[in-house]
Amino acid sequence: KNEVEQSPQNLTAQEGEFITINCSYSVGISALHWLQQHPGGGIVSLFMLSSGKKKHGRLIATINIQEKHSSLHITASHPRDSAVYICAVTMDSNYQLIWGAGTKLIIKP
Amino acid sequence: EPEVTQTPSHQVTQMGQEVILRCVPISNHLYFYWYRQILGQKVEFLVSFYNNEISEKSEIFDDQFSVERPDGSNFTLKIRSTKLEDSAMYFCASSVEGGRVNEQFFGPGTRLTVL
Repeated sequence: KNEVEQSPQNLTAQEGEFITINCSYSVGISALHWLQQHPGGGIVSLFMLSSGKKKHGRLIATINIQEKHSSLHITASHPRDSAVYICAVTMDSNYQLIWGAGTKLIIKP
Repeated sequence: EPEVTQTPSHQVTQMGQEVILRCVPISNHLYFYWYRQILGQKVEFLVSFYNNEISEKSEIFDDQFSVERPDGSNFTLKIRSTKLEDSAMYFCASSVEGGRVNEQFFGPGTRLTVL
């Protein structure tokens, strides 16, 4: 069973393109997280949100609680944005963090 | 900027051996977590720890696993008798708060290879 689904699995784009990564979930949540995993394996938390929209630099995250859907957008993408982007949710029932499979993003110069 | 650290970065062990993975969470954080990521798979929750006891654990976290905060700074994950399928990247994380509001900060991971 996949409580957290991401799309696409892989995304290759040219530098400067606007990027959208989607996340859908099927469980009750108290928060949704977007994280970035670098090729070396390290994980960095980008956003934690439970409603609305957050922006940090060129990154924007939105969530629609009714539709159980979130999107991560990257504006003016750059090769250094190349990484795996992971959606994870804090479950309402037990506060565990349940992870999506990740979206591998490659930005070509 | 404070960060979570983990040692070693890579551990190679023989099947059946005990391993201890070490983490130093951010100093004012109260909640600690272990996750694992088998190569090519999703990150999976193992256990959360607060106030010197386990607060949540997943089905993966069986009797072979244990966690401990032996002093004021370290947080360890012990695997008693490693199996081949324990080979994975193990991430430690910590947060100031737990429960519903728990922005977690992750360590760089320990890659465990069981031969």
